[in-house]
Amino acid sequence: GAVVSQHPSRVICKSGTSVKIECRSLDFQATTMFWYRQFPKKSLMLMATSNEGSKATYEQGVEKDKFLINHASLTLSTLTVTSAHPEDSSFYICSAPLPREGPNTEAFFGQGTRLTVV
Amino acid sequence: AQTVTQSQPEMSVQEAETVTLSCTYDTSESDYYLFWYKQPPSRQMILVIRQEAYKQQNATENRFSVNFQKAAKSFSLKISDSQLGDAAMYFCAYRSARPNAGGTSYGKLTFGQGTILTVHP
Repeated sequence: GAVVSQHPSRVICKSGTSVKIECRSLDFQATTMFWYRQFPKKSLMLMATSNEGSKATYEQGVEKDKFLINHASLTLSTLTVTSAHPEDSSFYICSAPLPREGPNTEAFFGQGTRLTVV
Repeated sequence: AQTVTQSQPEMSVQEAETVTLSCTYDTSESDYYLFWYKQPPSRQMILVIRQEAYKQQNATENRFSVNFQKAAKSFSLKISDSQLGDAAMYFCAYRSARPNAGGTSYGKLTFGQGTILTVHP
């Protein structure tokens, strides 16, 4: 199946600093990517939809200035957590569907990034 | 907006036995897709099985099968002959059949709360 690579898998940063998480589609072009946030033993909550060549679409309640998303190319989307605080500590997962495939195709997920803000 | 509900936070099963995980959803759409994903301790999301809403026949993948009741908006997962490797968190997910605004992709998934499955040897 298609591969989505997410980096880094773990990161620890100091409060007030920014952290960038990368999501790459390795063997297909992803015009759309999705960013989810997951708390321990909880569900995946969609944060935003990353669109290549245009602005990201954020879900209600997600701070655009806090979580900056850039879809720089057809294979790369980045999520930058700006001025991170301990409450931003979480597991972040990206996902990319195959472009122009039907809605019954599976979404391919990155390995996730565990962010810890100290 | 669509919602997905998994009412069983935790379930357990003996190895080789059968277990059923429940999922209900709410939508005003008539055409959509439903999925079960597995998230093992590695936290990598793995597709288990998918179901098209327009199909009456329940999907089956080896030891995994679903009971899809469209009128009741219910989509349960049955795991037969449970194995230790089945231990994971399971998520039910919904996807609309409508593409995004640009028509370039589908993909936005709405997930249930998840069910942690423990398999006892």
